[in-house]
Amino acid sequence: DVKVTQSSRYLVKRTGEKVFLECVQDMDHENMFWYRQDPGLGLRLIYFSYDVKMKEKGDIPEGYSVSREKKERFSLILESASTNQTSMYLCASSPGRYTGGGYTFGSGTRLTVV
Amino acid sequence: ILNVEQSPQSLHVQEGDSTNFTCSFPSSNFYALHWYRWETAKSPEALFVMTLNGDEKKKGRISATLNTKEGYSYLYIKGSQPEDSATYLCAFAGGGNKLTFGTGTQLKVEL
Repeated sequence: DVKVTQSSRYLVKRTGEKVFLECVQDMDHENMFWYRQDPGLGLRLIYFSYDVKMKEKGDIPEGYSVSREKKERFSLILESASTNQTSMYLCASSPGRYTGGGYTFGSGTRLTVV
Repeated sequence: ILNVEQSPQSLHVQEGDSTNFTCSFPSSNFYALHWYRWETAKSPEALFVMTLNGDEKKKGRISATLNTKEGYSYLYIKGSQPEDSATYLCAFAGGGNKLTFGTGTQLKVEL
């Protein structure tokens, strides 16, 4: 069964900590994405990558960075966590350069910053 | 930032009822429209990817239609069951690599 795996289901971090959220896919997909989901705001795109070492900003990149050193792994980094980054984070992947195919999502990481 | 709107925001129906939701999106620069189902504590699951004006897709009791000229899509559920309870998301692809999601319609099917 193909899947996208996120390393943690729940995380609690302190303000100012550097936080790494890891995502691994086993489908050989070119595209990978990081979204956050907040009540009433839907899924908002933080960053995405369409190839190894390539990254592009999404709609809300401030306070985040990403790393894609291998095709299967896409990491989201919170350089200095703040309470307004408390959210549900979803990783997704899709095949090919264009969005002709549906995304496959991970199960999400619920991050709480205290 | 593109505007993708879904209505209603939430919906309560009785088992056996048929229901439908709306997704509106920009009518220009259209590439694809996606529908996802997101059940609590699970990952969002792709239902349909629609690319052509007039497209109709069906999966069991769930179907969807697409009008790219006027910028809307409908999702229909026939004979709702409790297991249909979920948040239904639509997402617009205007070309390139990324989707813009609506805020979703939360469906609760009661016995």
